[in-house]
Amino acid sequence: ELKVEQNPLFLSMQEGKNYTIYCNYSTTSDRLYWYRQDPGKSLESLFVLLSNGAVKQEGRLMASLDTKARLSTLHITAAVHDLSATYFCAVGNGETDKLIFGTGTRLQVFP
Amino acid sequence: EPEVTQTPSHQVTQMGQEVILRCVPISNHLYFYWYRQILGQKVEFLVSFYNNEISEKSEIFDDQFSVERPDGSNFTLKIRSTKLEDSAMYFCASSARGTGGTQYFGPGTRLLVL
Repeated sequence: ELKVEQNPLFLSMQEGKNYTIYCNYSTTSDRLYWYRQDPGKSLESLFVLLSNGAVKQEGRLMASLDTKARLSTLHITAAVHDLSATYFCAVGNGETDKLIFGTGTRLQVFP
Repeated sequence: EPEVTQTPSHQVTQMGQEVILRCVPISNHLYFYWYRQILGQKVEFLVSFYNNEISEKSEIFDDQFSVERPDGSNFTLKIRSTKLEDSAMYFCASSARGTGGTQYFGPGTRLLVL
């Protein structure tokens, strides 16, 4: 059974600081997705990573994938309050790419 | 920008009643999914649907659940006899491709079973 673990589960950071969220998964996959969820809202796609060594950046967020280590990271640079949300990684599995989600990391950015 | 829509946004029902959750996927998408999220927990896969049939389903998706694409635009999830533990946010998602494509999520239906 594919398992996806994220850490930390909760992250409180000061504005302007950098931090990394880690996503480990238990079986081979080269399809890794990052989503953002605001409280009470739906999931917004952030990144799609489809190969070993893939790196994508959007604004203050950068995601990478190491399929050999079964690890993806989401790096936050110079955090701002607007980044406060829950971030989920998800591994694509099977012929129709059902998403197996991690536990989520709740990020809170304070002044 | 095209988006996935879902109705209703909220549904309250009595245990044992049937509910139908509706979704309109993005129009040129071919792959459809239902997920659920119990309050404060992670998102769980329920079922994927392609070419008018179920492609995969999880252990959660037992005989009480069914999906249908009754016409060219709607995609429905039916729960035949709701249980208290079915209370959750149900998300529909669609994708243009089976693997490696972004799954776009709808706003969700919050189901409360009393």
